[in-house]
Amino acid sequence: QKEVEQNSGPLSVPEGAIASLNCTYSDRGSQSFFWYRQYSGKSPELIMFIYSNGDKEDGRFTAQLNKASQYVSLLIRDSQPSDSATYLCAPFQGTGRRALTFGSGTRLQVQP
Amino acid sequence: EAGVAQSPRYKIIEKRQSVAFWCNPISGHATLYWYQQILGQGPKLLIQFQNNGVVDDSQLPKDRFSAERLKGVDSTLKIQPAKLEDSAVYLCASSYRGEYNSPLHFGNGTRLTVT
Repeated sequence: QKEVEQNSGPLSVPEGAIASLNCTYSDRGSQSFFWYRQYSGKSPELIMFIYSNGDKEDGRFTAQLNKASQYVSLLIRDSQPSDSATYLCAPFQGTGRRALTFGSGTRLQVQP
Repeated sequence: EAGVAQSPRYKIIEKRQSVAFWCNPISGHATLYWYQQILGQGPKLLIQFQNNGVVDDSQLPKDRFSAERLKGVDSTLKIQPAKLEDSAVYLCASSYRGEYNSPLHFGNGTRLTVT
C-alpha cells in the first residue's frame, strides 16, 4: 500500500465549477496535511494545510480532513484556467520520518 | 523575505560523472530538505537536516549520494558517480522548525539530465 494515494487524473472541470481533489494516506500518526500546487516545470508552492478534523477555508480553497477515514480533500470553488496544475497531497508523518511524504499528485485541467 | 536559492538551474552530465548542487535556505529556517522529483512523480525525500545535524537520510543512496550542511546554513548535495536513473529535478526546501505546523518552502530546483 502506498503511503499517500491520489488519483493521477487528469481531472477536467469547466471554468467556474468546483474541483474536488482527494487523497488517502496510510500512516495514522500523520499530524497535519499540506496541499501544494505545482505548475509544469515549476517547483511546488504551498496552497494550505490542515491539522484538525473538519473543514478549513482560505479564499476559493477548502481543505477537508477526516482522520478516522484517513482521507483529506481539497475543494477549489469557481475554478479558473490558472488553477490548471498538479496538486500534491503531503501528510506530515508524526512517527518515524518527521517530514512531508508526497503523493504523486492529481493533474487538474480547467476548461475555459 | 528572500526565498530558497538553488544553483545551478540545469545540469547535463554523462553517466559515471560527478555533480554537485547548492542550496541556501530562507534566513532563520532551521530545517533543510533535499527532495528528488522524477518526472510524473511526487517529490521523494532524500535527506533532512536540523541545523547542521542529519535527522533522516534513510532514503539517500549512500553509495553514490552525499550531502552536508556546514554551519547550519547552506547545503550541498553531491552525486558520484551518476547513473541514468538519477535524471530528475532536485528540490531543496526549508522550514522554520520542521514541525507539523511548519510549511516547507521550495527553491526553483535543479534539473539534472544524465546521458
